[in-house]
Amino acid sequence: GAGVSQSPSNKVTEKGKDVELRCDPISGHTALYWYRQSLGQGLEFLIYFQGNSAPDKSGLPSDRFSAERTGGSVSTLTIQRTQQEDSAVYLCASSLVQGANQPQHFGDGTRLSIL
Amino acid sequence: LAKTTQPISMDSYEGQEVNITCSHNNIATNDYITWYQQFPSQGPRFIIQGYKTKVTNEVASLFIPADRKSSTLSLPRVSLSDTAVYYCLVGPHSKNRDDKIIFGKGTRLHILP
Repeated sequence: GAGVSQSPSNKVTEKGKDVELRCDPISGHTALYWYRQSLGQGLEFLIYFQGNSAPDKSGLPSDRFSAERTGGSVSTLTIQRTQQEDSAVYLCASSLVQGANQPQHFGDGTRLSIL
Repeated sequence: LAKTTQPISMDSYEGQEVNITCSHNNIATNDYITWYQQFPSQGPRFIIQGYKTKVTNEVASLFIPADRKSSTLSLPRVSLSDTAVYYCLVGPHSKNRDDKIIFGKGTRLHILP
């Protein structure tokens, strides 16, 4: 079956522009996560959607970052007024069962480059 | 959440068995141990999860001693394609919003011909 799909795979934009990153989770998965990964680093948690509950936004680095999940499926991560330090790979993951350490299925990420 | 410590990097040769050990001294009673594999330009991939003793699947084995303060991921007869970063994570299956697993920098495994 289809895995987690992210688009675009690559995005280059100028500093100060807004960007939208999309994640299509595996059908039926109730939990969805966004992470950020800088070169050679581990994954930095950004936001977590769990079923119909309010999302856990505690990992968002600033108010320029926001995310939504429509209809319990597709999610969009928006970065406003991008800065060069926002350059990273943004990874989305979903899991069938809600819970911190339930197996997560990852997409291949969006590589964001801010010029 | 329990903090994990694993080697930054390891080298091995094709056909060898590779063991990567992860330390998690303050693991909690309800914590599980999970390993992920990440190839360049890809997202991490779930490999295996266990609570105690030994778990084996088609990819790897996970050995957990009785005190659960460490765990060892064992990859049998590695090939060049096993070159990747391996992450050890510890955490509960909790639905508590405050219980988030943390991906550290992992172990960079390099398989040589």
